Amino acid sequence: QVQLVQSGGEVERPGASVKVSCKASGYTFTSYEFSWVRQAPGQGLEWMGWIGTYNGATKYAQKFQGRVTMTTDSSTSTVYMELRSLRSDDTAVYYCARDPPGKDNGYDYWGQGTLVTVSS
Amino acid sequence: DIQMTQSPSSLSASVGDRVTITCRASQSIIGYLNWYQQKPGKAPKLLMYAVSILQSGVPSRFSGSGAGTDFTLTITSLQPEDFATYFCQQDYSVPITFGQGTRLEIQ
Repeated sequence: QVQLVQSGGEVERPGASVKVSCKASGYTFTSYEFSWVRQAPGQGLEWMGWIGTYNGATKYAQKFQGRVTMTTDSSTSTVYMELRSLRSDDTAVYYCARDPPGKDNGYDYWGQGTLVTVSS
Repeated sequence: DIQMTQSPSSLSASVGDRVTITCRASQSIIGYLNWYQQKPGKAPKLLMYAVSILQSGVPSRFSGSGAGTDFTLTITSLQPEDFATYFCQQDYSVPITFGQGTRLEIQ
């Protein structure tokens, strides 16, 4: 069965960086893309960007350009999201989500979420 | 960016009721509209994609309709497990955007 397992929660100081991992299993890793979505406490869902697992191509939301890097490691079926220069308003649960190829398919599997807390 | 606006923001209903949630896009997204359900402390779950196609395992009491800028999610005969927050999402263009959510509560 498809599983996406994310790394554990992190507490970081403002200005630091965080790297969240998402390990996939139960399917052919390079047949699907990934998106990262975050959710601040009590708030809605915010798309951060997308990565293609076949070739590592990325698209980032303008808001995060220059601060985010998404990478993929097909040898371990893992995708990563690194966010730099953290601010208090980056405190959120970060989700990886499997993104079937093509448009209009929705994100069919999600990781369990990783809480990143930014606090001095 | 395409803005997605859901209404209502919250809704109280009873088991067995029929409810409708609306999602409006700031420009046409044709039919690139998905719906998610989220329960407290859990990741969102895909309910429906491409406006009206039910994700595998989702009960048929959920249905979707619409095109262009206006879309609806309807739940007939609400069940206790349906009380949750619902989000619409457009994947017509980047950045992908979500509605602000509709919280469905037990009356």
